[in-house]
Amino acid sequence: DQQVKQNSPSLSVQEGRISILNCDYTNSMFDYFLWYKKYPAEGPTFLISISSIKDKNEDGRFTVFLNKSAKHLSLHIVPSQPGDSAVYFCAATAGSNYKLTFGKGTLLTVNP
Amino acid sequence: DAGVTQSPTHLIKTRGQQVTLRCSPKSGHDTVSWYQQALGQGPQFIFQYYEEEERQRGNFPDRFSGHQFPNYSSELNVNALLLGDSALYLCASSYLPAGADYGYTFGSGTRLTVV
Repeated sequence: DQQVKQNSPSLSVQEGRISILNCDYTNSMFDYFLWYKKYPAEGPTFLISISSIKDKNEDGRFTVFLNKSAKHLSLHIVPSQPGDSAVYFCAATAGSNYKLTFGKGTLLTVNP
Repeated sequence: DAGVTQSPTHLIKTRGQQVTLRCSPKSGHDTVSWYQQALGQGPQFIFQYYEEEERQRGNFPDRFSGHQFPNYSSELNVNALLLGDSALYLCASSYLPAGADYGYTFGSGTRLTVV
């Protein structure tokens, strides 16, 4: 039962353009969402998060949008840089439930 | 500042054997969580330790057990290894009172191969 879904296994964009990574969830109890970036041979690195009481959170080139009614969130990277090439994981958690539920990840490739 | 340290980085074991993986949390962190990442999948929560007690557990059999020491470091033990236990095991530390900030810091993981 995949409660967090990232339906695009991979995405390729040109340097300087926008990268949009999508994530859907099924558990309506989820109230906090996070994006992690993972390079090969390294652990996931926290990127940005959003609480369910918000619909947008920005941090530099990274913006996360949350559409609760659609149970959908997206990560926008503008402008994309070659160093952004990595696997991006969407994760969610519910209230005092401390475990993170991850999607399968999307491999982003930013071409120079 | 050292982040989360995991050892060993790679390990090969035979079916039926037992394995112990180790994790030292980031300085200032008091909580350790363990995740299993199979090939092509996202990390799956195994369990979390706080104040030397298992706080929460994911959907993993009793063959998976853990321990947290007074210095907050942790071990993950897997008994009676199966081929399907082959995966990257990730340790994540956090500071519990941070609450919803969920400032998890992940280690680079231990790659376990069961043959």
